[in-house]
Amino acid sequence: KAGVTQTPRYLIKTRGQQVTLSCSPISGHRSVSWYQQTPGQGLQFLFEYFSETQRNKGNFPGRFSGRQFSNSRSEMNVSTLELGDSALYLCASSPREGRNTEAFFGQGTRLTVV
Amino acid sequence: TQLLEQSPQFLSIQEGENLTVYCNSSSVFSSLQWYRQEPGEGPVLLVTVVTGGEVKKLKRLTFQFGDARKDSSLHITAAQPGDTGLYLCAGGSSNDYKLSFGAGTTVTVRA
Repeated sequence: KAGVTQTPRYLIKTRGQQVTLSCSPISGHRSVSWYQQTPGQGLQFLFEYFSETQRNKGNFPGRFSGRQFSNSRSEMNVSTLELGDSALYLCASSPREGRNTEAFFGQGTRLTVV
Repeated sequence: TQLLEQSPQFLSIQEGENLTVYCNSSSVFSSLQWYRQEPGEGPVLLVTVVTGGEVKKLKRLTFQFGDARKDSSLHITAAQPGDTGLYLCAGGSSNDYKLSFGAGTTVTVRA
């Protein structure tokens, strides 16, 4: 079974621009979550989608948004980029069965804002 | 907010030695996961524990979930250089659809 695929792997953007990151979950997984990882803050939850509905959102400004499509693929968008948005953005998919909330991560997209 | 504290933050040991990493919280979790992450890559799931008091073994790795489902430990026996990486614990709740991560323990195993 193929794993979680994130594209692109690396991205360099300029302050003020916007960026869209893509995530294809494991086949059959309907839940997709996004996390931001930085050396200072560790892994921080951005949002979670299930069947095209956002069920939870982390404490990030409105510049961060996402969506999920009917095939469970997901995108996240960051507008008006700031230097502090430089991070590894990780997508995770989950089967969400019962109490088990384990997540399977992609390799991430390394975003650098200059 | 569910906070997970991991200790120690850094661990450097010689090949063949044993090590233990701890993950503690004041919150109860419906499940707890341990991941290992290498630089520039996403975290790789090692194990999931869901039952208080549960012990799982994965080759030289032993994972325990506390009776009250608030804490966990990861023990590695006879560590090898391939065990080097960032170990992360993450607690999940079936109600809020997210994982709360600890800050991680960076483990270095010297040959």
